[in-house]
Amino acid sequence: AQSVAQPEDQVNVAEGNPLTVKCTYSVSGNPYLFWYVQYPNRGLQFLLKYITGDNLVKGSYGFEAEFNKSQTSFHLKKPSALVSDSALYFCAVHRADTGRRALTFGSGTRLQVQP
Amino acid sequence: DTGVSQDPRHKITKRGQNVTFRCDPISEHNRLYWYRQTLGQGPEFLTYFQNEAQLEKSRLLSDRFSAERPKGSFSTLEIQRTEQGDSAMYLCASSPRDGNEQYFGPGTRLTVT
Repeated sequence: AQSVAQPEDQVNVAEGNPLTVKCTYSVSGNPYLFWYVQYPNRGLQFLLKYITGDNLVKGSYGFEAEFNKSQTSFHLKKPSALVSDSALYFCAVHRADTGRRALTFGSGTRLQVQP
Repeated sequence: DTGVSQDPRHKITKRGQNVTFRCDPISEHNRLYWYRQTLGQGPEFLTYFQNEAQLEKSRLLSDRFSAERPKGSFSTLEIQRTEQGDSAMYLCASSPRDGNEQYFGPGTRLTVT
């Protein structure tokens, strides 16, 4: 079984400040990890992924995420938040070494960036 | 490059009626997925196709649900004898042969009255 936990329902940050959205996962074997963003009345947009290699992955819109195997975490970060980053963020996982492709998502974290 | 499209965007139906949704993946994406998302939750996996073969099905996919991808291109998701608990956003996604990330469509919002 695989699962994702996003411990914060909402994260508030001032524009220009760094932001972190937390994600921890549980999966048998090696994980493939993903972050998606959802804007109101729009579909999920892919931000970035960790498959293998460098633990720090860079994605769209200046976002990055750090994979930490010992802590089973994959936190999303951005050095300087924009008001336009306000949205719902989802972390997702699937197991790497099988043919299964079903993503398991967390419950989401709402990011609110204040001007 | 057009994205994943879904039709209709909204569907209101009465309990007990059948509904069918369509998903057109990004061209040349051989994998297609269906998820369901309810308010305040993350998407939940329903089923997955590689080309025309249905390779995974969630236990959420009761016998009232059926999905097809007959020619390995578009897919349909049918719900028979709808129940109020079926009210949700139904999301379709596709991924390329050589990639792992899934690209999502805008979803079909189903309301069962």
